[in-house]
Amino acid sequence: EAGVAQSPRYKIIEKRQSVAFWCNPISGHATLYWYQQILGQGPKLLIQFQNNGVVDDSQLPKDRFSAERLKGVDSTLKIQPAKLEDSAVYLCASSARLGQFFGPGTRLTVL
Amino acid sequence: GESVGLHLPTLSVQEGDNSIINCAYSNSASDYFIWYKQESGKGPQFIIDIRSNMDKRQGQRVTVLLNKTVKHLSLQIAATQPGDSAVYFCAENPPGSARQLTFGSGTQLTVLP
Repeated sequence: EAGVAQSPRYKIIEKRQSVAFWCNPISGHATLYWYQQILGQGPKLLIQFQNNGVVDDSQLPKDRFSAERLKGVDSTLKIQPAKLEDSAVYLCASSARLGQFFGPGTRLTVL
Repeated sequence: GESVGLHLPTLSVQEGDNSIINCAYSNSASDYFIWYKQESGKGPQFIIDIRSNMDKRQGQRVTVLLNKTVKHLSLQIAATQPGDSAVYFCAENPPGSARQLTFGSGTQLTVLP
């Protein structure tokens, strides 16, 4: 079975620019998560979707971050405008029941 | 807030020896735990999970032990190999969290030749 796909793998932008990340979960997984992982730390949840609805976005900085999963399959996470502190790896995970399976992540560098 | 933490940030073991990675969790009501392995430049990889109604679960070369009395989780890796070098995270599923996971900061395992 194919795993969670993410693109791009790497992105370098300047502060105040915008960026978008894409995630395609494992087929059939209704739940999709976006995490932010700062170097040396564990992943931190940004937003959780169940099908095309948001379950929890309490940790998402909504003044600059947005995410959508319009058709309940793939998802996009956007940052606009980016700040230096947004430099991190952005991970997408999906689950069917218990357990979450992660994609390779997108490494974002904000200069 | 409550969070999962790890006792040791780094662990070095000789190739062929057994490794034990420890984790302390703070939410006594958490009912599900996962160990993940993360290699450099990759996403976390699911290793093994355990529900709170169990105290031990074995996989291929790995064993997870859960001690609910002291809120402690450990991952044992038998006959550690160079490919086991990575950062290991434990994660817990707190009650009422809609299957969300809270991660600790990780332990860097280095396998010495």
